[in-house]
Amino acid sequence: EVQLVESGGDLVQPGGSLRVSCSASGFMFSKYAINWVRQAPGKGLEHVSSITNDGHSTYYADSVKGRFTISRDNSKNTVYLQMSSLSAEDTAVYYCVKAGGWNYYYYSMDVWGQGTTVSVSS
Amino acid sequence: EIMLTQSPGTLSLSPGERGTLSCRASQSVSRFLAWYQQKPGQAPRLLIYGASSRTTGIPDRFSGSGSGTDFTLTISRLEPEDFAVYYCQQYGNSLPLTFGGGTKVEIK
Repeated sequence: EVQLVESGGDLVQPGGSLRVSCSASGFMFSKYAINWVRQAPGKGLEHVSSITNDGHSTYYADSVKGRFTISRDNSKNTVYLQMSSLSAEDTAVYYCVKAGGWNYYYYSMDVWGQGTTVSVSS
Repeated sequence: EIMLTQSPGTLSLSPGERGTLSCRASQSVSRFLAWYQQKPGQAPRLLIYGASSRTTGIPDRFSGSGSGTDFTLTISRLEPEDFAVYYCQQYGNSLPLTFGGGTKVEIK
């Protein structure tokens, strides 16, 4: 079974940092791009960051550029999202999502994790 | 950034009725358009990709159509489990990979 499991979500103070992880199983991880999509409480979906299958190319939304870093370890079938300078606007469920191919564009998001909750509050 | 506008915001229908959801893009996305279903407390799941191709396991009462800037998701006969929020998303080479604001299909 193709599966993505996020972890690391937590309550963080404004200005703090957090790293969330996504562990994959059931498919050839190194062949697929991975996306992070977030959903603020009661809101829609926002594409946050992406990384190609080999990790050589990344994307960041303007809202997180310079504060978030995406990376992957294909030997561990894991993707990471390092988040810093967090604010209340970053409060959301963060979903790890598999792309349908090696790149993050031209491929739909075909498998979603269950999400991990990041709350930023004092 | 390509904007996706979904209409209506809420669709009130009875089980067995036909549902028609619209998604309009601010510029052409060719056929790089997907539809997702999200139920309360759950992650979204992919229904349709390439504007009209159903993902494995998706019932044939779900169908997608359109190209360029205008797309439609049709649910031919609503089942109780179909009441949910539906999002369209473009995944061409214009980043970010934007989502529409969603259409909530609720029981009338």
